[in-house]
Amino acid sequence: AQTVTQSQPEMSVQEAETVTLSCTYDTSESNYYLFWYKQPPSRQMILVIRQEAYKQQNATENRFSVNFQKAAKSFSLKISDSQLGDTAMYFCAFMTTEYGNKLVFGAGTILRVKS
Amino acid sequence: GAVVSQHPSRVICKSGTSVKIECRSLDFQATTMFWYRQFPKKSLMLMATSNEGSKATYEQGVEKDKFLINHASLTLSTLTVTSAHPEDSSFYICSAENQPHSGNTIYFGEGSWLTVV
Repeated sequence: AQTVTQSQPEMSVQEAETVTLSCTYDTSESNYYLFWYKQPPSRQMILVIRQEAYKQQNATENRFSVNFQKAAKSFSLKISDSQLGDTAMYFCAFMTTEYGNKLVFGAGTILRVKS
Repeated sequence: GAVVSQHPSRVICKSGTSVKIECRSLDFQATTMFWYRQFPKKSLMLMATSNEGSKATYEQGVEKDKFLINHASLTLSTLTVTSAHPEDSSFYICSAENQPHSGNTIYFGEGSWLTVV
């Protein structure tokens, strides 16, 4: 079984609309860190949002927000008011002592924002 | 903010030669750095954890004699691909944490494209 699962290989959204990228993970730990990274065509990895598992409040960064469901081990990313510059590969990742405190990445979701 | 820089961004080398890629943390000390390999449209694959002043820890299936990692200082880690072959052509990325194991922001380098001809 995959440790971090992103079930949507590709998605597209119209400019100004909202899109949600899904992510599920597997760990037996109770405390860990969750991340969404964006990788545009330049290949630079850019941190979009970060969530600490012990915090119940969902993290928000401007147009980006997460829906963190700890019991379901789900960590979806919502992008509101999508912009052309949001076109990129998005990776869900987490870090936990169970996996040596190393980032474990999902397979990624290619998001295309259309004008 | 903290920056991690990689050099070179692109390199072409002949089959059988060795090539070195540098990863520098520009404004913080990084006791631990990570090296990844990424194939087109695929995820990042962790190759090894680079520890300052000690041997790197390699992930299963990664040839440590082929991918030499040296973390000589708190701001520099190098990846040397020895006796490179065309199948080693890939995108290599490094990352570093400014506070290990804290879940604090992990900074990535810009990546290095290696082409072996």
